[in-house]
Amino acid sequence: KNQVEQSPQSLIILEGKNCTLQCNYTVSPFSNLRWYKQDTGRGPVSLTIMTFSENTKSNGRYTATLDADTKQSSLHITASQLSDSASYICVVTLMEYGNKLVFGAGTILRVKS
Amino acid sequence: EAGVAQSPRYKIIEKRQSVAFWCNPISGHATLYWYQQILGQGPKLLIQFQNNGVVDDSQLPKDRFSAERLKGVDSTLKIQPAKLEDSAVYLCASSLRVPGNNEQYFGPGTRLTVT
Repeated sequence: KNQVEQSPQSLIILEGKNCTLQCNYTVSPFSNLRWYKQDTGRGPVSLTIMTFSENTKSNGRYTATLDADTKQSSLHITASQLSDSASYICVVTLMEYGNKLVFGAGTILRVKS
Repeated sequence: EAGVAQSPRYKIIEKRQSVAFWCNPISGHATLYWYQQILGQGPKLLIQFQNNGVVDDSQLPKDRFSAERLKGVDSTLKIQPAKLEDSAVYLCASSLRVPGNNEQYFGPGTRLTVT
């Protein structure tokens, strides 16, 4: 069964600290993996995208890693800011017609001052 | 470039009532998606259109949900009659075309509360 599992479910950190979010997937065949940021009351916005052959991808203070052998990905946030408070969703694309996305439940991050 | 537009942003109805949501995708995007996102969960695909044709509606509860995209541009999603478990955020997304790794761009969503 195609599934994406994320951990932790929620996380609270102090402003300026780093954090790492985890994603495990069983999606096959695999096309790519995206991390989305979803602010409260908004739709998800793509942060990074990685294909099977890519191990890491950065977008400012966000760095995503991918281990296709163990089917694990992580999103590392450096020097967190209050505006990083959001839900972070791991999404895997099935390699089939339709570009079907398999969503994780998300990790809710709260950055405190 | 304008993003995906959705309306209304919020809707509160009583169970057994009807409701309709509207979506206008990014100009030129052939593919349109409707998702249901229940609190604490990731979005679940309800229906996918390619132009004005349905590509995938396998998870759409067809006894109460319907969607159309008559002219291949904007789309409406309807629920009739609504149930308590339909309370969720309904997200619309669009992408340039399929197949391919074309990114889906999401609208802000419509938050539906069924009482």
